[in-house]
Amino acid sequence: GAVVSQHPSWVICKSGTSVKIECRSLDFQATTMFWYRQFPKQSLMLMATSNEGSKATYEQGVEKDKFLINHASLTLSTLTVTSAHPEDSSFYICSVPQRGVYGYTFGSGTRLTVV
Amino acid sequence: AQTVTQSQPEMSVQEAETVTLSCTYDTSESDYYLFWYKQPPSRQMILVIRQEAYKQQNATENRFSVNFQKAAKSFSLKISDSQLGDAAMYFCAYSTERGAQKLVFGQGTRLTINP
Repeated sequence: GAVVSQHPSWVICKSGTSVKIECRSLDFQATTMFWYRQFPKQSLMLMATSNEGSKATYEQGVEKDKFLINHASLTLSTLTVTSAHPEDSSFYICSVPQRGVYGYTFGSGTRLTVV
Repeated sequence: AQTVTQSQPEMSVQEAETVTLSCTYDTSESDYYLFWYKQPPSRQMILVIRQEAYKQQNATENRFSVNFQKAAKSFSLKISDSQLGDAAMYFCAYSTERGAQKLVFGQGTRLTINP
């Protein structure tokens, strides 16, 4: 089956710094990847759709300049949280559409804590 | 826009008994997919079951089955012979092959299994 690797699994950073999160599709090429954010005891909220070779599509209310997405290859998408603040602390998850059977594979998530 | 609603924030069931989690959705599409995902404390998203809207037959995966009522836009999950390992957050989700194919989640239901 499809395998998606997400790194790091957790990160602590100081307020004002930037953090990069990677999402890799290990065994198939993905022209599209999705980034979600999940606050404690809440659901997954789609932040943006990452498109290989073109600009990401952001959901309404998501700051494009704060959450930079780069999909530079068919197996890698990165989410950079710029000038992080404590309110950016959350759980970030990537998702990749599967080939063959319609569905999605999720990364293991990244817990970001901004202090 | 498509929406998914889970009206039960929490549910509990005795071990070995049956529980049903509710989900309703709103869409103007005729072809779409519905999913139930499980999120244990590890926060890894695990696919429980998938239903294609064009299929009238309800999907079944071992102890997990759905009651898909397309006209009513209802998609409930039944867990039979509940096990301690079933304790988790359960999310109902919707997607369509049209457009960005993004996955839209409901609010989630926290399921507790009582031994």
